[in-house]
Amino acid sequence: DTGVSQDPRHKITKRGQNVTFRCDPISEHNRLYWYRQTLGQGPEFLTYFQNEAQLEKSRLLSDRFSAERPKGSFSTLEIQRTEQGDSAMYLCASSLGYFAGFQEKLFFGSGTQLSVL
Amino acid sequence: GQQVMQIPQYQHVQEGEDFTTYCNSSTTLSNIQWYKQRPGGHPVFLIQLVKSGEVKKQKRLTFQFGEAKKNSSLHITATQTTDVGTYFCAGLNRGGATNKLIFGTGTLLAVQP
Repeated sequence: DTGVSQDPRHKITKRGQNVTFRCDPISEHNRLYWYRQTLGQGPEFLTYFQNEAQLEKSRLLSDRFSAERPKGSFSTLEIQRTEQGDSAMYLCASSLGYFAGFQEKLFFGSGTQLSVL
Repeated sequence: GQQVMQIPQYQHVQEGEDFTTYCNSSTTLSNIQWYKQRPGGHPVFLIQLVKSGEVKKQKRLTFQFGEAKKNSSLHITATQTTDVGTYFCAGLNRGGATNKLIFGTGTLLAVQP
C-alpha cells in the first residue's frame, strides 16, 4: 500500500450536474477525512468517518454534499446539482485515529480538482 | 467556531535567510500539527506538538507550542530552495466534542536562490 488514493485527479463538469469522487485510504487506517481547498487557502474540513460511521459533518456544508464509507474502507463524496462555487480541490486524508487525547497525523491523497463550468 | 490564523500570508526570502511563521488559535488547543504543501502537491505532515511550551527541532526547522496552548511558531534557519511551499498549522480543539483538525490559513514561502 503506497498511500491514500483519490480518483479522479481532475473533474470538469457543467453546473447542475452531479459528481462523485472516490477515496481509498491506507488500509489499516480507521479514520477518513474529507477536506476542501481553494487557491491560497488552508484545507477546510467537510466531514470525517470512524470506520463506517460518519461522526461529523461541517455545518457550513450544503445538503447537496453527501459522503459514505459503506464498509469502513473506501469512501465516496457526492455533490449534487453542482454550482460554480463548488470548484475546488477535494482532499481525502486518513489516519490511525485518536488515542489518549491525541490526534494521529493525517496522510493526504493527491486530491480531486473539480471545475464547475 | 474555532479559527486558526497564520501570519504572514506570504514571505519571500533570499536563500540562506531565516523564516518564521506564526499560528494563532481562537481557542485552547490540545495539540497542534504542522504540514507542508509543495506547489501543486498535497499537505504532508511535519510534526506534532502536545505539551505547553514544547519545542521540537528537525534539522533546520524549530517548532514551538505556546505556554497557553493557543499559539505556535515554525522557524527555518538558513532557508534553502527546497523549503519552498506553504506551511500550515492545524489544531485540535481542547475539550471539543469532536476530533477534527482545523487548518490555519497558511504561509507561502518563496526562496530566491
